Amino acid sequence: SYILTQPASVSVAPGQTARMTCASATFVRKSVHWYQHKAGQAPVVVINDDTVRPSGIPERFSGSISGNMATLTISGVEAGDEADYYCQVWDNGSQHWVFGGGTRLTVL
Amino acid sequence: EEKLVESGGGFVQPGRSLRLSCAASGFRLGDHAMHWVRQLPGKGLEWVSGISWNGEMRGFSDFTKGRFTISRDNAKNSLYLQVRSLRAEDTALYYCAKGSGYKGSWYSGTVFDIWGPGTMVTVSS
Repeated sequence: SYILTQPASVSVAPGQTARMTCASATFVRKSVHWYQHKAGQAPVVVINDDTVRPSGIPERFSGSISGNMATLTISGVEAGDEADYYCQVWDNGSQHWVFGGGTRLTVL
Repeated sequence: EEKLVESGGGFVQPGRSLRLSCAASGFRLGDHAMHWVRQLPGKGLEWVSGISWNGEMRGFSDFTKGRFTISRDNAKNSLYLQVRSLRAEDTALYYCAKGSGYKGSWYSGTVFDIWGPGTMVTVSS
């Protein structure tokens, strides 16, 4: 089965840059989506299709892919960015949507 | 404003059935593929099932094992998830989510752009 691997946690100080990775065997012919999930709230898409930032999402959020690693970068981290972040892809092989295990971002 | 609101969760005994509902507002649910995603206690997000815009095609995660049925009533702007023979391991927060593509399929690869706040299902005797 297709697996997306994310680090369990990332911690940064306010104003610093947070980088959260999502590793896979391959991202060829796959689009990676990223969601921000705060406790008690609905998940929100922060990046879709690898690098696209939806309207309303601050420019501080960006996405990239290099080889078998997708990365969500948050520049100038703020306290309000503290949340769980999930990567997601559609896996045509298994005909399933797959989420990574999620990374908890802690703002120190 | 596009919104989704789930309902139908609660405490259920093992072996019973439950139907979750998801009501859409601010957009035509019938124009989009829809999905159910769940979060087990203390765990991450897990895709449960998806249905194409016209209801003709459906997909399910392996763990559903024929116990889950997804359906939709576009005239009522509503999505449903029927779960039979509930087990303790079905205890989770269940979210409905909208596929962003117009008249897309559940396997189209487009992002889930709107989510509801979720409805909690607790299976316990």
